[in-house]
Amino acid sequence: NAGVTQTPKFQVLKTGQSMTLQCAQDMNHNSMYWYRQDPGMGLRLIYYSASEGTTDKGEVPNGYNVSRLNKREFSLRLESAAPSQTSVYFCAARLGETEAFFGQGTRLTVV
Amino acid sequence: GENVEQHPSTLSVQEGDSAVIKCTYSDSASNYFPWYKQELGKGPQLIIDIRSNVGEKKDQRIAVTLNKTAKHFSLHITETQPEDSAVYFCAASPTYNTDKLIFGTGTRLQVFP
Repeated sequence: NAGVTQTPKFQVLKTGQSMTLQCAQDMNHNSMYWYRQDPGMGLRLIYYSASEGTTDKGEVPNGYNVSRLNKREFSLRLESAAPSQTSVYFCAARLGETEAFFGQGTRLTVV
Repeated sequence: GENVEQHPSTLSVQEGDSAVIKCTYSDSASNYFPWYKQELGKGPQLIIDIRSNVGEKKDQRIAVTLNKTAKHFSLHITETQPEDSAVYFCAASPTYNTDKLIFGTGTRLQVFP
């Protein structure tokens, strides 16, 4: 039982490149989330998905797209990376209004 | 939408002392208030949570209090130990969308031996 698994753990991109961050959960939870963590700014919600087939914008969605491929997987795509997207990205899964389980994070640097 | 403010941003205490972290929220009808602990290089983990129908909850050295009138909730850690050193986040779920989970900006707690 791995919980929430994110890949990759580290990534360096050049400005303008695209990439997809992958997230998978094996807990059968309905809701999944993408957050970014920056110094002094806490965890800011990028997008979330309350159930398979639905996605909604969070606090900072600009520059990102998401796909809820199935109940297990929720991916985050950067179409044209910018230095302002340098951050640590966390995926989380949750069942209703209860505990959210987080992955180990992806440290992304855009140069 | 829901806004969560957290103070202080950093907190240093001597081992054995108590630590208190405070959060305020904007949606007066919010119902669920969790606290997470994040150790270096890891994702946040839930340490305690409280719902709006309860004023206080304890789990060993950790307690959370909720004041619905003032719209704030606090984390209390007693008899702090060096392993309590971490970043702590509060969060809230707005009533208009309980699937959303909005976090505060975090508190870095350092416990000195």
